[in-house]
Amino acid sequence: KAGVTQTPRYLIKTRGQQVTLSCSPISGHRSVSWYQQTPGQGLQFLFEYFSETQRNKGNFPGRFSGRQFSNSRSEMNVSTLELGDSALYLCASSPGVGSGAFFGQGTRLTVV
Amino acid sequence: EDQVTQSPEALRLQEGESSSLNCSYTVSGLRGLFWYRQDPGKGPEFLFTLYSAGEEKEKERLKATLTKKESFLHITAPKPEDSATYLCAALSGGGSEKLVFGKGTKLTVNP
Repeated sequence: KAGVTQTPRYLIKTRGQQVTLSCSPISGHRSVSWYQQTPGQGLQFLFEYFSETQRNKGNFPGRFSGRQFSNSRSEMNVSTLELGDSALYLCASSPGVGSGAFFGQGTRLTVV
Repeated sequence: EDQVTQSPEALRLQEGESSSLNCSYTVSGLRGLFWYRQDPGKGPEFLFTLYSAGEEKEKERLKATLTKKESFLHITAPKPEDSATYLCAALSGGGSEKLVFGKGTKLTVNP
């Protein structure tokens, strides 16, 4: 069974630009969550989608948004990038029954 | 507010020297406690799920236990390849799959 796939693996963007990250969950998993990981803050929850609906949202500004498609694939978008948005962005998928989440390899975003 | 705290932040062991990592949690309606291993530049790798106090899970040199307030990850006779950051996460009550993570314990096992 294929794991969670995130693309691209690495990105370099300029401050003020926008970026879109993609995540393909494990087949059959309907819940997709996004996390931001930085050395200082650790892993912080961004949002979760289930059956194309946002089910929960973390404490991040509105510049961070996401969506989920009917095939459970998900994208997250960050607009007006700031230097502080540099981080590893992780996507996780879950069968949706409290059995835990399985993570992709992440997208390393660097904002210059 | 749900909170997960891990200690120590970093741990250095000699090969074969057993030890334990701690994860204390304050979560309303705990639905599960999860342990992950993360290698540099990679996503967290799922290790264990614990659902109720008294539960234990084992995998090779690792054993996870759960009480009503904390979880322990016991590492028996570690090897250098066990070096990684170990993350603990709690799933609280409600319908979401949102995980609350601790900041991790960075384990280094010297040969």
